[in-house]
Amino acid sequence: SQKIEQNSEALNIQEGKTATLTCNYTNYSPAYLQWYRQDPGRGPVFLLLIRENEKEKRKERLKVTFDTTLKQSLFHITASQPADSATYLCALDPGTASKLTFGTGTRLQVTL
Amino acid sequence: GAVVSQHPSWVICKSGTSVKIECRSLDFQATTMFWYRQFPKQSLMLMATSNEGSKATYEQGVEKDKFLINHASLTLSTLTVTSAHPEDSSFYICSAETGTGQPQHFGDGTRLSIL
Repeated sequence: SQKIEQNSEALNIQEGKTATLTCNYTNYSPAYLQWYRQDPGRGPVFLLLIRENEKEKRKERLKVTFDTTLKQSLFHITASQPADSATYLCALDPGTASKLTFGTGTRLQVTL
Repeated sequence: GAVVSQHPSWVICKSGTSVKIECRSLDFQATTMFWYRQFPKQSLMLMATSNEGSKATYEQGVEKDKFLINHASLTLSTLTVTSAHPEDSSFYICSAETGTGQPQHFGDGTRLSIL
């Protein structure tokens, strides 16, 4: 069965450092992989989308990599700030029915 | 752009009551909307895909007679939890997409508590 795993339940880092979040999947061949941010009691907010034929995507302080051989995506936040504290979800999109399958999420806590 | 509004944001009601949740795309048309349920500290679980003008497609294990979905226009989908019971208490979130391979845009969710 399809499985999506994100690294550890919580990641604590110091302000200014780079946060790296991992998304691993099995039994899946996504056409797209998406990253969302979710704050407590709110709906997810879209951050970045990367296609299966793309290796890397950047947006301001965010960077996503996608390795379809390893079946893994890495999500980086450089120069992290306390405001970056949230839960980050990866989601796989098969590209046909547009149904997203979400990972378990990683809670990031950035401290001063 | 691509704003999705969801109402109400919070509902508390007695067991046996039916509750309707609205999901609107404010500045774009959405032929497809999605309904998710999220339990505390868990990820989003897709319940159903709502298609404008046709019947919703439900995920395995989701009772279609329990969770009624209506997508009457290109900007509005509703989820009605019929005869709600305490086990239906959860965070319900809707989303809308602008096209295949495009990100989904989420509402802010509805916290449903059944007493």
